[in-house]
Amino acid sequence: QVQLVQSGAEVKKPGSSVKVSCKASGGTFSSYTISWVRQAPGQGLEWMGRIIPILGIANYAQKFQGRVTITADKSTSTAYMELSSLRSEDTAVYYCASDYGGNSPFEYWGQGTLVTVSS
Amino acid sequence: SYELTQPLSVSVALGQTARITCGGNNIGSKNVHWYQQKPGQAPVLVIYRDSNRPSGIPERFSGSNSGNTATLTISRAQAGDEADYYCQVWDSSTWVFGGGTKLTVL
Repeated sequence: QVQLVQSGAEVKKPGSSVKVSCKASGGTFSSYTISWVRQAPGQGLEWMGRIIPILGIANYAQKFQGRVTITADKSTSTAYMELSSLRSEDTAVYYCASDYGGNSPFEYWGQGTLVTVSS
Repeated sequence: SYELTQPLSVSVALGQTARITCGGNNIGSKNVHWYQQKPGQAPVLVIYRDSNRPSGIPERFSGSNSGNTATLTISRAQAGDEADYYCQVWDSSTWVFGGGTKLTVL
């Protein structure tokens, strides 16, 4: 049973960056991939990108290319998502989720982190 | 980019059967996963690879996928099934979610 615990809520100014963490426990960190999914208020789920920790390779949704960076620290079983050049439309709950690669589903989700972008 | 289309809302009478569709070009050739999300909570996987139920998900939840439409079926709907439901597929090295369907149990 994998547990994903995310960092706490953030309030950021437009133009700044935010870095959200996702610490995994249970299972073997290197055996699954970590994705980041966001949900704006009252809106649907939006996939941002993912990382394969064992390889350190990340790929991103085209919409976020150049603005998002996903990394992983195998020594602490923690994944990170950094989003830059924040604007008000980035206000959302950000989730991390794990899958076993290939076409496997997101079996485990973090609790979500609210990021509020406001001047 | 690949798109998934879901109805915004579906209503079902208590104890009846609800069907939530997810449309996509030749979606029948892909594996579809379904998630349930209740207000203020993270999504929960209810169906994976078209028609498989994770442990702990009631048998009332089932799925199918053919042609251009995947369907999540909830039999004997209960008040606790009221939630948003999302379909998901893997396409061209990216995950794609449908827009979500709000299920109302009357």
